[in-house]
Amino acid sequence: KNQVEQSPQSLIILEGKNCTLQCNYTVSPFSNLRWYKQDTGRGPVSLTIMTFSENTKSNGRYTATLDADTKQSSLHITASQLSDSASYICVVSERADSWGKLQFGAGTQVVVTP
Amino acid sequence: NAGVTQTPKFRVLKTGQSMTLLCAQDMNHEYMYWYRQDPGMGLRLIHYSVGEGTTAKGEVPDGYNVSRLKKQNFLLGLESAAPSQTSVYFCASSYRPGTSGSRPSADTQYFGPGTRLTVL
Repeated sequence: KNQVEQSPQSLIILEGKNCTLQCNYTVSPFSNLRWYKQDTGRGPVSLTIMTFSENTKSNGRYTATLDADTKQSSLHITASQLSDSASYICVVSERADSWGKLQFGAGTQVVVTP
Repeated sequence: NAGVTQTPKFRVLKTGQSMTLLCAQDMNHEYMYWYRQDPGMGLRLIHYSVGEGTTAKGEVPDGYNVSRLKKQNFLLGLESAAPSQTSVYFCASSYRPGTSGSRPSADTQYFGPGTRLTVL
């Protein structure tokens, strides 16, 4: 069973609107959580990273939140743009003293329409 | 810096054929990884390398071999391709994980653009 579950699988939003993506994980012990953006036909690119002690991190119009107690994270996209159309992948890293094994979610496909 | 590059971008094989995918990075990263990405699933680790001359198995290593003869290159080989190996393959690299302490961003894996492989 995947230790990182993302929802929804896909969503369509109008340009200029906001949206929130969810990530639930069971990875333990937990080191950090990243959100990656993957454009079609490209490799994933890191957007944000949070350790267990951080509960929010922003990168421009992207804001990630983390609740390490409930093992949930969200990625909020503000004032969406056409260039935000991509797959957003939640990636959880096991504890820092391991070699850094990552658990990947299946991603949420976001389509921003004019 | 080119970052992480992969060759080729696309390939079609017949069952039983062999091929090698090449990954190169110019960031002087110690760690390199090969993943496969299939629809509806997260990226899965095939093999990884913690340094020149070393390789290790990941989550789904069967049917693949790897070599890391030079620090900047990581090769993924398919000796006898099967339709189940149809996938998009991503290479990634990073500094040595677990040493970042309060700087987890140093563990970030940088991905190449991918190779789309179809096995008929």
